[in-house]
Amino acid sequence: EEQLLESGGGLVQPGGSLRLSCAVSGFTFASHGMSWVRQAPGKGLEWVSSITGSGGRTYSADSVKGRFTISRDNSKNTLYMQMTSLRVDDTAIYYCAKLAYGYSYGPVDYWGQGTLVTVSS
Amino acid sequence: DIQMTQSPSSLSASVGDRVTISCRASQSISSYLSWYQHKPGKAPKLLIYAASTLRTGVPSRFRGSGSGTDFTLTISSLQPEDSATYYCQQTSSTPPNTFGQGTKLEI
Repeated sequence: EEQLLESGGGLVQPGGSLRLSCAVSGFTFASHGMSWVRQAPGKGLEWVSSITGSGGRTYSADSVKGRFTISRDNSKNTLYMQMTSLRVDDTAIYYCAKLAYGYSYGPVDYWGQGTLVTVSS
Repeated sequence: DIQMTQSPSSLSASVGDRVTISCRASQSISSYLSWYQHKPGKAPKLLIYAASTLRTGVPSRFRGSGSGTDFTLTISSLQPEDSATYYCQQTSSTPPNTFGQGTKLEI
């Protein structure tokens, strides 16, 4: 059974940094693209960033480009999101998402439970 | 960027009713569209992919249709557990894989 477990969320001041992790099990990690999707309080789902199964290609939303970096360690079955220059409007639940295919796009067939990031002074 | 516009933003219906949610893409995405169900405090769930393919295990009362720029999610014979927010997402190779703004369904 596919499992995705996020960690690393918490309270951080504006301008600060945070690294999210997503440990996965139950599937061949390197064969699937992965994404981060967030939901700000009272708002809808927002695609943040994606990475191919090999890790060779990444894409990020304009709202986080240059500040967030998605990466993966296929030897550790773990997805990461390095978040820098955090802003108040980055406050959200961040979901780790498994893509159905090895590409950096496609339907999300499994989701983690999410980790809350709060940016506040 | 491809914009995804859902309508309505919310709707209320009764058990046994049939409802339709629309999703429009700002440019053609062929059939690269998925639908998700999201309940508060839970992880979203994939219902339909490739515009009309029902994911294994999803009840057959959920049906997706459309291609190009106009898509529809139809839920027939509504059940109390269908109360949720529904999102469409364009899943083509053209990033970003944008979500619609969501449709909150109250039963």
